[in-house]
Amino acid sequence: DADVTQTPRNRITKTGKRIMLECSQTKGHDRMYWYRQDPGLGLRLIYYSFDVKDINKGEISDGYSVSRQAQAKFSLSLESAIPNQTALYFCATSDPDRGLYEQYFGPGTRLTVT
Amino acid sequence: GQNIDQPTEMTATEGAIVQINCTYQTSGFNGLFWYQQHAGEAPTFLSYNVLDGLEEKGRFSSFLSRSKGYSYLLLKELQMKDSASYLCAVERQGDDYKLSFGAGTTVTVRA
Repeated sequence: DADVTQTPRNRITKTGKRIMLECSQTKGHDRMYWYRQDPGLGLRLIYYSFDVKDINKGEISDGYSVSRQAQAKFSLSLESAIPNQTALYFCATSDPDRGLYEQYFGPGTRLTVT
Repeated sequence: GQNIDQPTEMTATEGAIVQINCTYQTSGFNGLFWYQQHAGEAPTFLSYNVLDGLEEKGRFSSFLSRSKGYSYLLLKELQMKDSASYLCAVERQGDDYKLSFGAGTTVTVRA
């Protein structure tokens, strides 16, 4: 089984709809991240979390919110989706406090907003 | 902030060597990562350089020069499966171990 999973894997939604992307991990890592990837722009950080009580904005948090329901679960919400939020979204985990500096990525969610 | 530059595309022949350069400008540099990403898939970790010099892992090697703000990823004995995007990512000191990614270099391996 994959260590980092994301649901759904693909989603098409309409402008103005609320949508939630979910991420779960079995690695036991404390840190979780949400990124979006757009062609030619690379991965950009939306939000990250150290633990359930500690959530921080990344470089492009406007229009997004997150919830860390448990150490293993980190959800990303688009309260009112707009077309320029069409992108590939990745969740990632790491645990630098245990010397695990690299980030482990989930398989991604391809979101299309029409 | 930081600027991270890498070429957009590179093409090479199966069995050859390709070197992907990454230059960066940042305050408080801590380390540099390389990730491989096949089309439509998740990035996977290749290497992490903190100190100057070359680190070798099988067919892949990564080099870092902190004073020059420069790194490269060297892929030897290229195979068709190495066709992918290669992402350079910089980690800054005191920045919660967050990563800033370059736009990626798409490598196409031809027979």
